[in-house]
Amino acid sequence: QVQLVQSAGTVVQPGGSLTLPCAASGFTVNTFGMHWVRQAPGKGLEWVAFIQFDKSVKHYVDSVKGRFVVSRDDSSNTLFLEMKSLIPEDTAIYFCVRDNKKTVGSTSYFYMDVWGKGTSVTVSS
Amino acid sequence: DIQMTQSPSSLYASVGDRVTITCRASQNINSHLNWYQQTQGKVPKLLIYGASTLQSGVPSRFAARGYGTYFTLIITSLQPEDFATYYCQQSSPSPRVVTFGGGTKVEI
Repeated sequence: QVQLVQSAGTVVQPGGSLTLPCAASGFTVNTFGMHWVRQAPGKGLEWVAFIQFDKSVKHYVDSVKGRFVVSRDDSSNTLFLEMKSLIPEDTAIYFCVRDNKKTVGSTSYFYMDVWGKGTSVTVSS
Repeated sequence: DIQMTQSPSSLYASVGDRVTITCRASQNINSHLNWYQQTQGKVPKLLIYGASTLQSGVPSRFAARGYGTYFTLIITSLQPEDFATYYCQQSSPSPRVVTFGGGTKVEI
């Protein structure tokens, strides 16, 4: 069964650090790009970070650049999001998501097809 | 960065209604546009990819079209399970920097 398993929620103080794991099963993470997407309470979806299947490319939303790092451990088939210098605005549910694609002719269309259930992160003193 | 603007941000509709949601991109994204549905407390679900291709298992009452900077999602006959929030997403292949629209909440 293809799924992404995420950890339970947590509370962290402003300025603190946290690493979120996301364990994949039913597929190997080194054959897909992977994303992190977050959703603040009562708000919409915000893309956070991307790691390419071969780990050669990583992208981040401007608001987390220099503070968050996306990584992957292929031996455990697990994706990570390391978060530092956390601020209250980082409070959100964090989803790990698989990046898939469909190729039609010479064009590839990318989409997010498998989502973890999310980890709630609250940044508060 | 590419910005995505959805309208309306919310709408009220009844079962059986035809609903149209629009999404505009700040620059040309060809057909690299996806639509997701999120019901309350649930994880987002892919409905449409490539601007108009229905994901496997999605009911045919959902349709979408568009190209370049203007896109629409249409629900031809709203069902009770369709009351949810819908998000468009630009998904350009390179770089894989993704942007979501602000969402459209479809309410009873």
